[in-house]
Amino acid sequence: GENVEQHPSTLSVQEGDSAVIKCTYSDSASNYFPWYKQELGKGPQLIIDIRSNVGEKKDQRIAVTLNKTAKHFSLHITETQPEDSAVYFCAASIGQAGTALIFGKGTTLSVSS
Amino acid sequence: NAGVTQTPKFRVLKTGQSMTLLCAQDMNHEYMYWYRQDPGMGLRLIHYSVGEGTTAKGEVPDGYNVSRLKKQNFLLGLESAAPSQTSVYFCASRRQGGSYGYTFGSGTRLTVV
Repeated sequence: GENVEQHPSTLSVQEGDSAVIKCTYSDSASNYFPWYKQELGKGPQLIIDIRSNVGEKKDQRIAVTLNKTAKHFSLHITETQPEDSAVYFCAASIGQAGTALIFGKGTTLSVSS
Repeated sequence: NAGVTQTPKFRVLKTGQSMTLLCAQDMNHEYMYWYRQDPGMGLRLIHYSVGEGTTAKGEVPDGYNVSRLKKQNFLLGLESAAPSQTSVYFCASRRQGGSYGYTFGSGTRLTVV
C-alpha cells in the first residue's frame, strides 16, 4: 500500500537553532502535503501545507519544500523556541481525488533553552 | 464554533464488549475521518466518509464499522473489542476539495482489558 516515511523520529536542538524534518512518499498521484503539530494530550493541528504545483512555501519561521521528482518534502523551522517542542507529522494525499491523508510516524522535537 | 467534538474522551472496555465513538462537527464539512494513533505508529486511517450516507475503508478497517447518517456526525463502532484496539482515536473533518487540511478533534483514549 501507499506509505509516507518520516525522519528523524526524534530531534533535539538548542533554542535558536534550526530544525529540519524530512519525508518521502510513495504515491506518485499525491498532490497535497500538509504538516501537523501535536502537543501533549491534544489533537494534531495544521501548521503549514504545500500543493504539488509549488516548490516552497514560507510562513514566518516555518517553511516547507517539495521535490516531486524525488517524492520528497521537508519541514524547516528556524530560530526554534521552547514552545516549538511537540510531535510533528507529515502527510500526503491519497485515493481518488486526494480524498484522504496518510501520515508519517511522527518526529518528536525537543527544544532546550 | 466548537469545531470537531469527540465523545467520550476516555473509556475502558472489557474484551468482547461493544461501544460507539461519536464525532460531531459544526463546520458543515463534507468529509470526515477516523484515525487511530499508537506509539511509534503515527496516525493510521480506519474509515472515512465523503458525504452523508457514504463510507469507505482506510488502512486498518478490520474490527471497526462506521456510519454517517447525518452530515455533521460520524460514528465509529467496535462490535467486539479486543486488546489490540487499545489506542487513541481521532476524528477529523475537512471541506470538499483536494487541498484542504483537516480539523481534528481532541481524541478518545480507549483501553481494552
